[in-house]
Amino acid sequence: EPEVTQTPSHQVTQMGQEVILRCVPISNHLYFYWYRQILGQKVEFLVSFYNNEISEKSEIFDDQFSVERPDGSNFTLKIRSTKLEDSAMYFCASSESRSAYEQYFGPGTRLTVT
Amino acid sequence: QKEVEQDPGPLSVPEGAIVSLNCTYSNSAFQYFMWYRQYSRKGPELLMYTYSSGNKEDGRFTAQVDKSSKYISLFIRDSQPSDSATYLCAMSARDAGGGYNKLIFGAGTRLAVHP
Repeated sequence: EPEVTQTPSHQVTQMGQEVILRCVPISNHLYFYWYRQILGQKVEFLVSFYNNEISEKSEIFDDQFSVERPDGSNFTLKIRSTKLEDSAMYFCASSESRSAYEQYFGPGTRLTVT
Repeated sequence: QKEVEQDPGPLSVPEGAIVSLNCTYSNSAFQYFMWYRQYSRKGPELLMYTYSSGNKEDGRFTAQVDKSSKYISLFIRDSQPSDSATYLCAMSARDAGGGYNKLIFGAGTRLAVHP
């Protein structure tokens, strides 16, 4: 069964460093998303991406964040200068259409900022 | 008022019990209602979804939506230890482009089913 994959599974970085989180969505999917979950808190929407541009972004997704689909298979989330409060699980999701129930989530990348 | 509220639990039940999980919401524009299951340090996995009001059944799971009360429920019959996980409700409203991009999640309810 096709699945969304994410690398690395765990990333440790120092405050102020740049990180890139990588995702490989399901191959025939066209819509891509990033969510994050701070430990003990709810899953929060960050951004949606379609046709090489951002469709929607949340207030959390400020200028420190960017997304890119550098080739036909990868979808990345970059945090330019990490802060302690960026420590969280980051989940990538993809869907074939813009139907809410069709988003398939990856296993997540745990980002720890020290 | 939070957009989606969900009692975080934990909820502990004996094997075989009927489990009732609930969420309330404030945004009347929500039209899709989903239930996800999440194991520790894993991604959410879709269990069921409902569009607008009504009930939906899938095996031991039943999802109910009452839009007039802004209240959704997930019932698990004959609960098993393997059902032990965190259950997240999620909702979506139509966006300006006509799709349902953004999921708004509840905090999740931790469920433990003991043998």
